[in-house]
Amino acid sequence: AQKVTQAQTEISVVEKEDVTLDCVYETRDTTYYLFWYKQPPSGELVFLIRRNSFDEQNEISGRYSWNFQKSTSSFNFTITASQVVDSAVYFCALSVSTGANSKLTFGKGITLSVRP
Amino acid sequence: NAGVMQNPRHLVRRRGQEARLRCSPMKGHSHVYWYRQLPEEGLKFMVYLQKENIIDESGMPKERFSAEFPKEGPSILRIQQVVRGDSAAYFCASSLNAGIQETQYFGPGTRLLVL
Repeated sequence: AQKVTQAQTEISVVEKEDVTLDCVYETRDTTYYLFWYKQPPSGELVFLIRRNSFDEQNEISGRYSWNFQKSTSSFNFTITASQVVDSAVYFCALSVSTGANSKLTFGKGITLSVRP
Repeated sequence: NAGVMQNPRHLVRRRGQEARLRCSPMKGHSHVYWYRQLPEEGLKFMVYLQKENIIDESGMPKERFSAEFPKEGPSILRIQQVVRGDSAAYFCASSLNAGIQETQYFGPGTRLLVL
């Protein structure tokens, strides 16, 4: 069975601080994909990144960066110089091969509050 | 806007009534997924459909819930005889192809409140 754990439930930072959101996953599959989604206060889910299990290169996109480490089954997300607009719930998700289905297994989410 | 569309955005029902939630996938996408988000919880998979076929409904409650994705028109998630425990946000996602590598793009969700 697959599992995604986001141990931090709520994080509060002051604007311009760096913040790291942790994600730990469990799967016996050797081929899988990891995702991060953002859910702002308006409620929709916004796709941020997809990473496959064979690519451990870290990725940077503007103020966002992701650190994937298979050795610790972690896929952590760092926001540099946080801004108030980063306030949202962030979900980490896992996709493994289950026949014809590519359903996502989500963590419970981390609520990030960025104060001015 | 060619994103995933869901309607209604908010739906209020009394216990025992039926709820119908609609989802139009992104243009060109023929794979639709429904997820439910209970308060303070992550999203839980319910059902995966392709046009006219249910591929995986392992996350659907056995009773009162059904889903369809007809050849023409949106995907429908139907909840019969709603109970208070059905109150949740229901999200639809779509993908271009099948497979674990595919990114699922989500709609804005339907917030169902059962009184």
